[in-house]
Amino acid sequence: GQQLNQSPQSMFIQEGEDVSMNCTSSSIFNTWLWYKQDPGEGPVLLIALYKAGELTSNGRLTAQFGITRKDSFLNISASIPSDVGIYFCAGQRDSGYALNFGKGTSLLVTP
Amino acid sequence: EAGVTQSPTHLIKTRGQQATLRCSPISGHTSVYWYQQALGLGLQFLLWYDEGEERNRGNFPPRFSGRQFPNYSSELNVNALELEDSALYLCASSPDQVQAEAFFGQGTRLTVV
Repeated sequence: GQQLNQSPQSMFIQEGEDVSMNCTSSSIFNTWLWYKQDPGEGPVLLIALYKAGELTSNGRLTAQFGITRKDSFLNISASIPSDVGIYFCAGQRDSGYALNFGKGTSLLVTP
Repeated sequence: EAGVTQSPTHLIKTRGQQATLRCSPISGHTSVYWYQQALGLGLQFLLWYDEGEERNRGNFPPRFSGRQFPNYSSELNVNALELEDSALYLCASSPDQVQAEAFFGQGTRLTVV
C-alpha cells in the first residue's frame, strides 16, 4: 500500500501550546483517520473523517478532511503532558481496501 | 468488555525459525487485521480476515501467512524468519468489515536474533 507523507516527524513543545500536524497523499482517499499510540500500546482512534471538507472535533483535538481528498490535518489545542505520544494518520480508498498509514509524528510536551 | 488480546506479548526467535502470533478479537467482531510496525515506521498492512476467509493481503512475501478460526480468533505465521522481521505485530478487529472502526490490540513484539 501507499505510504502517506506525514509531517512533522517530531515536535517538542511546551505545555499550553497548540500543535498542528498534517498528512498528504498522491492518491485520493475517501476516509481519513487519526490515531494516537502510547508506548507499549496499540494505536487508539482519535477522529474519523468521511467527507471532503469535513471538520470534526474531539475535545481539544480538531481534524479536517482536505477538500482535494489528498490531505488531512490534526490540531491539538492547549497541549498537556498526557498528549505525549505518536500520532498517526491513515487513509482508506474505499471500504474494501486496507488502511494506509503515515510514519507518525512524535509529540513531546514539557510542563 | 474485553478488548483485542494478543499473545504472546514478546517473542524471541532465531533466524530461520517459525513464529506463531495469536489474536482474539472483541466479542462480536468478525474481521481481523494484521499489521507490522517496524521501528520508526508506520503500520504496514499484512492481512485481513473476515468470516474465516482472507479478504485482502499486503505486499509481504508468502512466508507471512495466517488463518481465522470459526470463533473469529486469528493466527499469524511467519516462516523462515529473517532479522528484518523484527517488529511489533499489531492485530485489530472490527465489526462488519468496517476497518475504520477497528480496535487495536497491544501487539506482539517479535525479535529475531
